[in-house]
Formats: sequence, C-alpha cells, structure tokens
Amino acid sequence: NAGVTQTPKFQVLKTGQSMTLQCAQDMNHNSMYWYRQDPGMGLRLIYYSASEGTTDKGEVPNGYNVSRLNKREFSLRLESAAPSQTSVYFCASSQGGGTLNIQYFGAGTRLSVL
Amino acid sequence: EDQVTQSPEALRLQEGESSSLNCSYTVSGLRGLFWYRQDPGKGPEFLFTLYSAGEEKEKERLKATLTKKESFLHITAPKPEDSATYLCAVQATSGTYKYIFGTGTRLKVLA
Repeated sequence: NAGVTQTPKFQVLKTGQSMTLQCAQDMNHNSMYWYRQDPGMGLRLIYYSASEGTTDKGEVPNGYNVSRLNKREFSLRLESAAPSQTSVYFCASSQGGGTLNIQYFGAGTRLSVL
Repeated sequence: EDQVTQSPEALRLQEGESSSLNCSYTVSGLRGLFWYRQDPGKGPEFLFTLYSAGEEKEKERLKATLTKKESFLHITAPKPEDSATYLCAVQATSGTYKYIFGTGTRLKVLA
C-alpha cells in the first residue's frame, strides 16, 4: 500500500546543476501536484496536472518544469538550480473533482542548493 | 484574494489540557476545507474534510468544526503523540482543484 512515492528523499546540488524529482502514485488518481514547503510560508503550489496529458502553473512556477509521464507519474525538473530553490518538495495526488478531491502526499524530497 | 490564516502559530499544552486550533479563511466560494497533520520530516497526513457550515467530524481526540468564516480543530485530553504541525487548507468552487494552505499550528503536548 505505497500511496505516493517520491525519489530521491534527499539531494544536494550546486548552483546551476539540473535534476529531476520523481513522483509516482498507485491509487489510480487523475490529478497530481507539486508543492514546495518553506519555513513560515506554508505549502505553495508549483505545478499541477488535473488529468493525464495536462499541466498548469501554480503559485510559484518560475525555475521549474513538469512532465506528466502517464497517469501514475509526475516529475518536476529544475533546469538550473538556484539557492532560492532550497526547500522541501512534496508531491500529492487526488481523485479529482467534486467531493472526492482529498489530496494525499508523499514523504517529500529535501533539496539543498549550494 | 483567497486566503487562509491559522492561529496560534505554536501551542504548548500539558497532557490532558484540552484546547482549540483556529483556521480562518476568505474564499469566493468554499468547495471544501481540509485538515492535515504533519510530523517532522514527513508529508502531510489527511485528517478531515468539511464541506458546509455546521458540519462536524471526529476522530479519536480530534474534532473539527466549520462555520462560514472559520474552522476549529478541538483537541480533547491530548497526549504527547498528538504533537505535530496541523495544517488547514481550503478549496474554492471557482476554477480548478487547487488547495490554499495556511502556515500551520505547531502543537507540542508535554507529558
């Protein structure tokens, strides 16, 4: 009963390096989300995918790209990492629509950009 | 602008000392309000969802209530294992399925 699985759990990058954060869900959910969590800021939406084949910008999309690879997988890419992107990143998924839109979260990826 | 404010930022309770956490929200139309628990180093864990004013949900020592402007998470006779950060989020009826999160209340229950 894995739910939402994120890899890696920890990562340290140097400024300018690129990386992809992976997320997979096994709940047959339609919608998937990427958030970042910073002290005192709460969870902020980076990008979301309402359904397979669609992606949309959230509140803080600059410096990020996403790919909805299939219904299960949603990846987040940092093309050229900056220290301001040091954060904890969470992936979430939901059934999508109406009263079923409870979001379920992964355990997070802790990213440091030096 | 849609907004969620949680108070207090931090709360220390003695074991058995009941209290309430507040989540005030401003949203054009409320589709749902959600409470999550987050332990250090982990992702948020779903607790409750509330959809209409007057609704209440209970789970063990926790009870969530909803009015047209705010929600309360009541903690009755808390135990040390209830220590965590409690997050509130709202989903508006307009547009998409996006959540707006508050910054959370850090609860510490002392034995």
